[in-house]
Amino acid sequence: EVQLVQSGAEVKKPGESLKISCKGSGYSFTAYWIAWVRQMPGKGLEWMGMIYPGDSDTRYSPSIQGQVTISADKSISTAYLQWSSLTASDTAMYYCARFSSGYYADYWGQGTLVTVSS
Amino acid sequence: IVMTQSPATLSVSPGDRATLSCRASQSVVSKLAWYQQKPGQAPRLLIFGASTRATGIPARFSGSGSGTEFALTISSLQSEDFAVYYCQQYNSWPRTFGQGTKVEIK
Repeated sequence: EVQLVQSGAEVKKPGESLKISCKGSGYSFTAYWIAWVRQMPGKGLEWMGMIYPGDSDTRYSPSIQGQVTISADKSISTAYLQWSSLTASDTAMYYCARFSSGYYADYWGQGTLVTVSS
Repeated sequence: IVMTQSPATLSVSPGDRATLSCRASQSVVSKLAWYQQKPGQAPRLLIFGASTRATGIPARFSGSGSGTEFALTISSLQSEDFAVYYCQQYNSWPRTFGQGTKVEIK
């Protein structure tokens, strides 16, 4: 059974750093792209970027690039989304998703709620 | 590529037919997916390749279109179908979602 299990909810202050994770199981982790999708409170889905763990090829949305870092550790089948300095506007639910051939998301994680507040 | 969905909200009675639209700012050929999201849940893949149902998706869901105009039709709405629906193109980078259509009970 394919599963993507994300790390737990986080409450952070502006300016702090954060790294959230997404662990894949039940399939060959290195053979599928993993994407991060943001959903701000009451809003729609926003594709942030994705990584191919097999060779670490990474693509970012132009609107997100430079604000976050996407990485993966294939030895433990885990992808990451990282911020060096959070702002209140980073408050959102973040989903990881397996993108079949890099095209569409056929499996999703349960989401990680990130709250940034002073 | 900007994906525009209409209407923003669709009010439908159970048992009725619902048609949701998705327009791309440039051709995405047939590289379009549809997702359903219920409150408090992760999205679920419904359709890929514009018209191919994902595994386990009921036949009342159907997708159509190509190029820049697409539609998702739910032939007879069931109570569990009231949700928000998103389209997503995968013809080019970055992948982009529409803003969503909420299907609510009339």
